[in-house]
Amino acid sequence: DADVTQTPRNRITKTGKRIMLECSQTKGHDRMYWYRQDPGLGLRLIYYSFDVKDINKGEISDGYSVSRQAQAKFSLSLESAIPNQTALYFCATSDSGLADYQETQYFGPGTRLLVL
Amino acid sequence: SQQGEEDPQALSIQEGENATMNCSYKTSINNLQWYRQNSGRGLVHLILIRSNEREKHSGRLRVTLDTSKKSSSLLITASRAADTASYFCATVRMGRRALTFGSGTRLQVQP
Repeated sequence: DADVTQTPRNRITKTGKRIMLECSQTKGHDRMYWYRQDPGLGLRLIYYSFDVKDINKGEISDGYSVSRQAQAKFSLSLESAIPNQTALYFCATSDSGLADYQETQYFGPGTRLLVL
Repeated sequence: SQQGEEDPQALSIQEGENATMNCSYKTSINNLQWYRQNSGRGLVHLILIRSNEREKHSGRLRVTLDTSKKSSSLLITASRAADTASYFCATVRMGRRALTFGSGTRLQVQP
């Protein structure tokens, strides 16, 4: 079984709808992240959480919100979806038990979102 | 803006040739990492080099880091068709808490 799972894998929604993307992990990591990727571009950080009570905005948090329901679960919500939020969304995890200079991230398979 | 910028944006080579990708960044870093992404899938970590290291090897991968020039290179030797993917550098900036990714190099290895 995959260590980092995302649901749904694909989603089509309409402008103005609220949707939630979910991420679960079995790696036991304390840190979790949400990124979006647009065609031909790298990943941009939306939100990150270093533990259940620690939520931080990334570089493109406007229009998004997150919830860290448990150490293993981190969900991303689009309050009122708009077409330019059409993108590939990735969840990732990392382990703070490693020194900062050793920490790497583990990614889920992605959620492809289309906002009409 | 992106912290890391990869060069070239796209690279096409024949199987067996070496592939070199470069990454430049703007601010002081804690470490630099390279990730691979197969089309439309999640990223997979390849290698991490610390700011006080100059070169690191892992199998057919060789990474160099020049902090004076704020640049890194990833060399894949004896490439295979299965190496076809996008490759991203990512940095942890000094005093920051999360990775910043570059825009990636799309590598195509022709069989």
